[in-house]
Amino acid sequence: GAGVSQSPRYKVAKRGQDVALRCDPISGHVSLFWYQQALGQGPEFLTYFQNEAQLDKSGLPSDRFFAERPEGSVSTLKIQRTQQEDSAVYLCASSSSGKDFYEQYFGPGTRLTVT
Amino acid sequence: DAKTTQPPSMDCAEGRAANLPCNHSTISGNEYVYWYRQIHSQGPQYIIHGLKNNETNEMASLIITEDRKSSTLILPHATLRDTAVYYCIVRAGYTGTASKLTFGTGTRLQVTL
Repeated sequence: GAGVSQSPRYKVAKRGQDVALRCDPISGHVSLFWYQQALGQGPEFLTYFQNEAQLDKSGLPSDRFFAERPEGSVSTLKIQRTQQEDSAVYLCASSSSGKDFYEQYFGPGTRLTVT
Repeated sequence: DAKTTQPPSMDCAEGRAANLPCNHSTISGNEYVYWYRQIHSQGPQYIIHGLKNNETNEMASLIITEDRKSSTLILPHATLRDTAVYYCIVRAGYTGTASKLTFGTGTRLQVTL
């Protein structure tokens, strides 16, 4: 079946621009996570949704970062007034509440470059 | 979640077993050991997880020491497609809600001909 998809795959933004990154989780998956991965580092948690509820946003680095999942399926990560330090790969993952609960399925990521 | 320590890199000849170690000396009783891998330009992929018993699936085997302070991921017959960064992650078990994964820097496994 279809996996987690993310769009765009690559995004170049000028410093100060706003960007929106989209995540389409696996159909029916209740949980959705966003991670940020800097070059040469492991992914770092940003935020977590259970259905449409954002239950944990402790990893968002600043108030310029905002995530939503209004209908409990597609999610958007928005970064306002982008800075060079925002350059990274942004990964989305989803998981179900069934027998595969422990497994998070990751998308391919969006590579954001801020110039 | 407990902290994990992994070697930064390892090499393995194709067809041989790859044994990737992980130390997690501060693991607590309700924490599981997970392994994910990340092939270049892809998102991480779940491999296996375990609590205290050894586990095996179609991808790999997980050996956890009796004191649970360390574990080893075994790829029995490594292929070039197994070249990736392998992450060992310790995380509390199912509590009714999903929980984040805390990645370290992992082990970069290079499989060679």
